[in-house]
Amino acid sequence: SQQGEEDPQALSIQEGENATMNCSYKTSINNLQWYRQNSGRGLVHLILIRSNEREKHSGRLRVTLDTSKKSSSLLITASRAADTASYFCATVRNTGGFKTIFGAGTRLFVKA
Amino acid sequence: NAGVTQTPKFQVLKTGQSMTLQCAQDMNHNSMYWYRQDPGMGLRLIYYSASEGTTDKGEVPNGYNVSRLNKREFSLRLESAAPSQTSVYFCASSELRNMVNPMSFGPGTRLTVT
Repeated sequence: SQQGEEDPQALSIQEGENATMNCSYKTSINNLQWYRQNSGRGLVHLILIRSNEREKHSGRLRVTLDTSKKSSSLLITASRAADTASYFCATVRNTGGFKTIFGAGTRLFVKA
Repeated sequence: NAGVTQTPKFQVLKTGQSMTLQCAQDMNHNSMYWYRQDPGMGLRLIYYSASEGTTDKGEVPNGYNVSRLNKREFSLRLESAAPSQTSVYFCASSELRNMVNPMSFGPGTRLTVT
């Protein structure tokens, strides 16, 4: 079964609103990463949060990590039409060798 | 810098045909990866190369072979294509295998097997 699972599967908001996506996972991790994928393109790395960190910011992005609940959230503030994309969490665990598992993604649509 | 480049962008094969997907990176990364992306399933690792001269199986290696030609290039070969291999294939690279460093992805190859 997948390690990282995003929620919701799809999200539609108006430009200027905030978008929140969640990621849950099952086993302990070394770090968790968020990626963006525009339609028909490859994935682009957004932010990495280590297991001993609780929150990170990068521009309009805020990522939180709750290891007790095995969950992470990605908040995009003041969304823009250009934020329309799929967002994936990738969990990296270090038991039995490093292994990265991608979730199925959240499709975000920002209406202008 | 071109980053990670992949060729071809699109390919249609008949069942049983073979082909090689090419990948190259110009970031001097040690590790390279091949993933496939299917609807609703996220990315699944096919093979990876932690460093030049080494390759290892990932989650879904059956039906594929790889070659790490040099530090820059990592190719994926389908010896006898099957419809189940219809997918989008992504090559990625990272500085180190330990995954503390993020991956850089290529634009993908869209493969259809009929």
